[in-house]
Amino acid sequence: NAGVMQNPRHLVRRRGQEARLRCSPMKGHSHVYWYRQLPEEGLKFMVYLQKENIIDESGMPKERFSAEFPKEGPSILRIQQVVRGDSAAYFCASSPRGPYEQYFGPGTRLTVT
Amino acid sequence: AQKVTQAQTEISVVEKEDVTLDCVYETRDTTYYLFWYKQPPSGELVFLIRRNSFDEQNEISGRYSWNFQKSTSSFNFTITASQVVDSAVYFCALSEDGDDKIIFGKGTRLHILP
Repeated sequence: NAGVMQNPRHLVRRRGQEARLRCSPMKGHSHVYWYRQLPEEGLKFMVYLQKENIIDESGMPKERFSAEFPKEGPSILRIQQVVRGDSAAYFCASSPRGPYEQYFGPGTRLTVT
Repeated sequence: AQKVTQAQTEISVVEKEDVTLDCVYETRDTTYYLFWYKQPPSGELVFLIRRNSFDEQNEISGRYSWNFQKSTSSFNFTITASQVVDSAVYFCALSEDGDDKIIFGKGTRLHILP
């Protein structure tokens, strides 16, 4: 059973471009969570999704950030018009039943130049 | 409000020494989960342990042990006979029952010196 997959592992974008981060949950997992880790910080919750639904987006910045988890395919975290402050590691986690059993992916390291 | 505090930002010990990483948490819930994760230099997040609030038994796994004390809201992690491969950032984390997220501490960077 493959683990949580994230791609790309590293992403470089210039200021103003769009960044798309993908997360494929473990097989059978219908809960997906996105976290952001700024340099020298812990992970901070961004959003929780189930198939086709955003359940909790209390940690998402109000502008430029969006997330989806379609019926088919991976979950996508989209950052529009990236700025230097968006440079961070973005981790996805999946769960079969709830937040207390989250399996983390390897993360995507976004660098904005 | 839920909060996790890891007061030790960085620790260095010589190989084979024992080291304890401190974690103090705040929550109003009676049902919650505590976690420890390891983040090696490669950057991925490695799950170490999950403990629910009703299970105060200490846990030992090889050279790792965890001391959960509700009276002091602490969930400390000890590595016995440390090895260079233990060098990493270690995160303590909390999730309240019914909440959607895991709250992470800022991490403790552990250096094991040969």
